[in-house]
Amino acid sequence: DAKTTQPNSMESNEEEPVHLPCNHSTISGTDYIHWYRQLPSQGPEYVIHGLTSNVNNRMASLAIAEDRKSSTLILHRATLRDAAVYYCILLLGMRLSGNTGKLIFGQGTTLQVKP
Amino acid sequence: DAGITQSPRHKVTETGTPVTLRCHQTENHRYMYWYRQDPGHGLRLIHYSYGVKDTDKGEVSDGYSVSRSKTEDFLLTLESATSSQTSVYFCAISDKGTGNTIYFGEGSWLTVV
Repeated sequence: DAKTTQPNSMESNEEEPVHLPCNHSTISGTDYIHWYRQLPSQGPEYVIHGLTSNVNNRMASLAIAEDRKSSTLILHRATLRDAAVYYCILLLGMRLSGNTGKLIFGQGTTLQVKP
Repeated sequence: DAGITQSPRHKVTETGTPVTLRCHQTENHRYMYWYRQDPGHGLRLIHYSYGVKDTDKGEVSDGYSVSRSKTEDFLLTLESATSSQTSVYFCAISDKGTGNTIYFGEGSWLTVV
């Protein structure tokens, strides 16, 4: 199964941009790149996902390398509420039989946001 | 919020007893998952389901069984609970598998003493 590599922790100042990197060198052509975050004592929360092109939504942006072997989650202005563990995950491609892709989580990056 | 309900939310049980955790969804999503989360291990997939009566094993399936007799319910059973199964269990749902958002429940805290 394809795996991802993320830094264990990062720090940011409030209201500054944050770039969270992820390496996924064994990604296959049908794997989607997903980002989730988890606040203490809560279930993971969807942030963004993409396949090949960069993606933007109200929470963040996702920049995907041309060879798809790495990606970066961008929080444009970090707030204290963005302090969480961020997971970069590959959603394994769907097989022709219709079986689903399944999320395999890594350790994630713990983001600390300083006021 | 996605309509996912996990029950019980908290449970303490004794070693050797059977335990069943229930995940109920109101979204009519095809895919359902059970994960466990432990310090130092992150989230690990136990079992998942891609339809009624269609299930498959994840990374850490030993000691667990699942059943899905209807779309809305996915049950996780510990046949004989052990202390190593003390953990937080998360249910998740998605539709169309690849590329779609996956929603997580709020978690079930299980302590085996």
